[in-house]
This record gives sequence, structure tokens and C-alpha cells, in this order.
Amino acid sequence: AQSVTQLDSQVPVFEEAPVELRCNYSSSVSVYLFWYVQYPNQGLQLLLKYLSGSTLVKGINGFEAEFNKSQTSFHLRKPSVHISYTAEYCCAVGGTYKYIFGTGTRLKVLA
Amino acid sequence: GAVVSQHPSWVICKSGTSVKIECRSLDFQATTMFWYRQFPKQSLMLMATSNEGSKATYEQGVEKDKFLINHASLTLSTLTVTSAHPEDSSFYICSASEGPQANQPQHFGDGTRLSIL
Repeated sequence: AQSVTQLDSQVPVFEEAPVELRCNYSSSVSVYLFWYVQYPNQGLQLLLKYLSGSTLVKGINGFEAEFNKSQTSFHLRKPSVHISYTAEYCCAVGGTYKYIFGTGTRLKVLA
Repeated sequence: GAVVSQHPSWVICKSGTSVKIECRSLDFQATTMFWYRQFPKQSLMLMATSNEGSKATYEQGVEKDKFLINHASLTLSTLTVTSAHPEDSSFYICSASEGPQANQPQHFGDGTRLSIL
């Protein structure tokens, strides 16, 4: 069985500050890990994915995440954020034929 | 690329009405489509998985007679909420991928907010 934990329901950060959104997973099989962003009343947009290979994954808009197998984590990072990045960020693990999603982290960028 | 269109975006209807939601992949062939339900402040919950030309596979606890899924072509899947009641009010999101394997990224529609009066 697989599960995903996003411990932070909301993360406030000032504009241009760095941010890290945490994601921990558990899985008994090989994992594929994804980060999505969801803006209000919209679907999910893929930010980045880890399938295999390099543990540091770079995605759109300068986001990156590092797959850490020993800590079963896949934290999302951004060196500097803009107000427009205020949204819900969802981590997902795919292990068999489907995804399991975390409960999401609301990133609120303050001016 | 990889655009998924979901329609309608918002539906308000009376109790007892059946509602159909469409999910289309616009620029790729979606072998597999997924239907999710999302309650406020909760994670996406997978309802069912459909492969083109096959019957949908429903997750435990999801009534297949209540939520009818049709995936008749590589670009279109529909979810019909039959005889909808207020408890069916929710945000429904579809996604599509080019294969059933979990390493295939899913591309999501913008969701349908369903409100049953």
C-alpha cells in the first residue's frame, strides 16, 4: 500500500523568499513521485516528476525537488517566490496503476 | 501540449437530475482516464479508472450504478452522475494519460463543480 503525507496544510512566505514544501511517502513497491499545482477552480498542473535516475528533479518555473529514498521524502523547493505562486501544491505517489495524493499544502505568498 | 478539456465547469441542478461531465484529451491519445472527487480541504480521491474500450474499474465504496463512466474513444470519457442528490455535490476532476502505468504522468482537466439543490 502507498500513502503520502503533506504535514503542512498552509505555508506563508514573503515574496522573493525561498520556500520548501514537504512531502513524505510510504510505499512497498518502486515509486514514481509527482508534484502538481492547483489554482482556484482549476485542475492540477504538473510541476515536476521523478521516475528514475537523478534524484534532483527540475520542473517548470524554477521549481525543483529531491528524491530521498532513505528519508522517504520528495520535498519541493523554490529559491525565490512571487505572489503569483500562491496556490495549492499537491504531492502524489504512483506505484501501481494509480496515484495517491496528499492533502495538499496551501502556499500563500505575502507582499 | 497534453491539454485536457473538461466540460461543464459548473453545474447547478435539482435533486433527481442526471448530470453528464465530459473529459477530452485535445492533443494526445488518452489510453487511460481517471475520475476524481475532491471535497474541501481534502485530497483528491480516485473514483474510477477507465481504459479505452473497456469497462471502468471502480474504487472501493464508489457506486458504479450511480457514477456511470464511458470511455468510448481515445479522446473522450464521460462521467454521468445518475439521479443526483445533495450529497453528490462536490468538485469532480478528470485526468488522462497515454498509458495505464503509474509512471505515465496524468494530465488534469480544470474540474467540474457540481451543486445539487
